[in-house]
Amino acid sequence: EAGVAQSPRYKIIEKRQSVAFWCNPISGHATLYWYQQILGQGPKLLIQFQNNGVVDDSQLPKDRFSAERLKGVDSTLKIQPAKLEDSAVYLCASSFNPGAYNEQFFGPGTRLTVL
Amino acid sequence: SQQGEEDPQALSIQEGENATMNCSYKTSINNLQWYRQNSGRGLVHLILIRSNEREKHSGRLRVTLDTSKKSSSLLITASRAADTASYFCATDDVGSARQLTFGSGTQLTVLP
Repeated sequence: EAGVAQSPRYKIIEKRQSVAFWCNPISGHATLYWYQQILGQGPKLLIQFQNNGVVDDSQLPKDRFSAERLKGVDSTLKIQPAKLEDSAVYLCASSFNPGAYNEQFFGPGTRLTVL
Repeated sequence: SQQGEEDPQALSIQEGENATMNCSYKTSINNLQWYRQNSGRGLVHLILIRSNEREKHSGRLRVTLDTSKKSSSLLITASRAADTASYFCATDDVGSARQLTFGSGTQLTVLP
């Protein structure tokens, strides 16, 4: 079974530029999550999708971050314009069914450096 | 916000020794999960313990949960150099729409 795919793996941009990350979840997984992980910390949830609908985006800085999930499968996360404090690893995760047990499967992440 | 707080923040042991990491949390939970993260990689699910369970085993892993103290521990027995990684507890909080709230992690180093 293929895992969660993310691209790019690394991205370096200057502040005020824009950047986009892509995620392809495990086939059949209805729920998709985007996390931000700052160095030395645990992942922080940014947004949760159920199929192509948003379940929770309360921690997404909507003035600069946006996300969509196309046809309930792939997802993109965009930052525009980027700030220095956005430097982090952006992790995508998916789960089959957030019913009884919500084990999440993570992609390798995209490491963003904002200069 | 991060609910789980792991203790210690860093742990260094010799190969073959046991490693114990602790996690404390603040609210009522449906379950608590432990994940491992190797440097530069995504997180890997290790084990899940439900709120009505007190202990669970998986291979060399043993997890305990004390809901009265809002705490959990992860024991890795007979550690190996390959166990070197960061370990995170994550809580599925009651009323959270099945989201996970991660702690700050314990960095485990197993010396050969």
